[in-house]
Amino acid sequence: GIQVEQSPPDLILQEGANSTLRCNFSDSVNNLQWFHQNPWGQLINLFYIPSGTKQNGRLSATTVATERYSLLYISSSQTTDSGVYFCAVETSGTYKYIFGTGTRLKVLA
Amino acid sequence: EAQVTQNPRYLITVTGKKLTVTCSQNMNHEYMSWYRQDPGLGLRQIYYSMNVEVTDKGDVPEGYKVSRKEKRNFPLILESPSPNQTSLYFCASSLGAPGQGAPAQYFGPGTRLLVL
Repeated sequence: GIQVEQSPPDLILQEGANSTLRCNFSDSVNNLQWFHQNPWGQLINLFYIPSGTKQNGRLSATTVATERYSLLYISSSQTTDSGVYFCAVETSGTYKYIFGTGTRLKVLA
Repeated sequence: EAQVTQNPRYLITVTGKKLTVTCSQNMNHEYMSWYRQDPGLGLRQIYYSMNVEVTDKGDVPEGYKVSRKEKRNFPLILESPSPNQTSLYFCASSLGAPGQGAPAQYFGPGTRLLVL
């Protein structure tokens, strides 16, 4: 089945810094989403982005489907950005989601 | 308020004692799904449902059952729980299935299960 790898596994930043999180996948995908799991465990959908670029405030995401990767950019990071970031993909016609193992981000005040 | 609710939030049980974790959404979503989250493994899909009476296996369905008799509810049933089912469980829903319109998933708060 499709493999989904995220890097880096862990990241520590000072407040105000920028960061790039990466999601690589081993096959073509029909659907790709980014999620944030906050320190209290709640999962929030950030982006639905099977291809192209989207922006939402300080966050933006780009998926290059032909090269099988997606990037999540966090600019001017805040302590509330701490948590784990997951990407999840679905390959065409399976209707099943495969999650990466996540990037754990800690933003220091 | 649009939300996905799960009950109970925490559960301690013993091996072999049947249990049900309920999931309900009030957004008229068609697609619903159950995941388990374990350290180092991320989230893995257990079962999903495209609509009422339509369910299918995810990546780790062994030891679990589901039903979708009503659009809003999607309970997860563990007929004979074992210690390897100790995990954090999430229910999620989306307006459409992956590949269809509006697939963004909304997650419940999670149910932490300990099987002794």
